[in-house]
Amino acid sequence: GENVGLHLPTLSVQEGDNSIINCAYSNSASDYFIWYKQESGKGPQFIIDIRSNMDKRQGQRVTVLLNKTVKHLSLQIAATQPGDSAVYFCAETFYGNNRLAFGKGNQVVVIP
Amino acid sequence: KAGVTQTPRYLIKTRGQQVTLSCSPISGHRSVSWYQQTPGQGLQFLFEYFSETQRNKGNFPGRFSGRQFSNSRSEMNVSTLELGDSALYLCASSLAAGGYQETQYFGPGTRLLVL
Repeated sequence: GENVGLHLPTLSVQEGDNSIINCAYSNSASDYFIWYKQESGKGPQFIIDIRSNMDKRQGQRVTVLLNKTVKHLSLQIAATQPGDSAVYFCAETFYGNNRLAFGKGNQVVVIP
Repeated sequence: KAGVTQTPRYLIKTRGQQVTLSCSPISGHRSVSWYQQTPGQGLQFLFEYFSETQRNKGNFPGRFSGRQFSNSRSEMNVSTLELGDSALYLCASSLAAGGYQETQYFGPGTRLLVL
């Protein structure tokens, strides 16, 4: 796949445990952040987003935390399932701009 | 509702040739963005089209171009292909109803191999 050969940080997690994926973003002017999941052979799939006026947002089994002070974003996945095995990307942009800047990605491997 | 579709899914070309990739956005979406994904550089923004106009452009050479049609479908073209153009080309669409950013939804991509 597109991420083969790339040495991504890898998180190995036991099925049923919680996962935490971290991302440091680069632009202090960014005010909109998104997490995407990419499975092998597929395009990135939207998971959850957050605007800079929030520091936490919850979805189904996922929570995104934003710390603007240190320009840090995290994605928490509760009760990780085998289907959660993928590469996870954080992306950032700012008001009036559809240009997404992506992080390098984090590989999550779920151990059954 | 159908997702973003891209054609073709796979393509093999040789150096010096040119290629055209197609993207059909989600129905009702008016903004289409293109990204290049490679193992070395990750996901990089190419350009965005809205209402048949290029609204934003990334840092790629002029060999990379695009256009958008009145039905919001978009094409991107790469001329004089180089080996380094081998990549997964992703298209993303968003509603672009105005105001704050909206979620971009990605297609499956076109995998281009340049020999």
